[in-house]
Amino acid sequence: DQQVKQNSPSLSVQEGRISILNCDYTNSMFDYFLWYKKYPAEGPTFLISISSIKDKNEDGRFTVFLNKSAKHLSLHIVPSQPGDSAVYFCAASPQGGSEKLVFGKGTKLTVNP
Amino acid sequence: GAVVSQHPSRVICKSGTSVKIECRSLDFQATTMFWYRQFPKQSLMLMATSNEGSKATYEQGVEKDKFLINHASLTLSTLTVTSAHPEDSSFYICSHPVRYGYTFGSGTRLTVV
Repeated sequence: DQQVKQNSPSLSVQEGRISILNCDYTNSMFDYFLWYKKYPAEGPTFLISISSIKDKNEDGRFTVFLNKSAKHLSLHIVPSQPGDSAVYFCAASPQGGSEKLVFGKGTKLTVNP
Repeated sequence: GAVVSQHPSRVICKSGTSVKIECRSLDFQATTMFWYRQFPKQSLMLMATSNEGSKATYEQGVEKDKFLINHASLTLSTLTVTSAHPEDSSFYICSHPVRYGYTFGSGTRLTVV
């Protein structure tokens, strides 16, 4: 039973365009959501997060949108850069993110020059 | 702040031997450390939670006698894969909960031959 789903295993985008990575969740107890970026053979690095009391959080080129009624969140990267090429993991947690995170399978983003 | 140092980054061992992976918190006291495993094209799966000075908590399906966790100090948590088999080959990552998320080690790529 996968509680956090990233249905697109890969995404290819042209440099300068927008990248949209999607994530769906099933557990209504999740109230905190995070996006992590991971390069091969490295640990994930935190990118951006959003609490369930918000529907949008923006940090530079990265914006996360949360639709609680649909149990859906998305990460927008604009403009996309070749250095953004990595695997992006969506993660969810109850209790503000301090408890065990549940991860999606990840989406491999490739930004083409 | 909140840096977790993980070693080794890569290890190859023979089947039947044991391998120890270390995670050190460099600038904070880690009372809790989460240990994850990632198989290719899969999500990060929580294996166990180590707590300083007490027994680790293992997730369902994870053999505690095979994956020995020690968290004897506030700055060091170790995972020992005992009697390793080729199916234990995976990417192992430790992480520590920080405010609004986790900080991850750089991961250990274990290959059992």
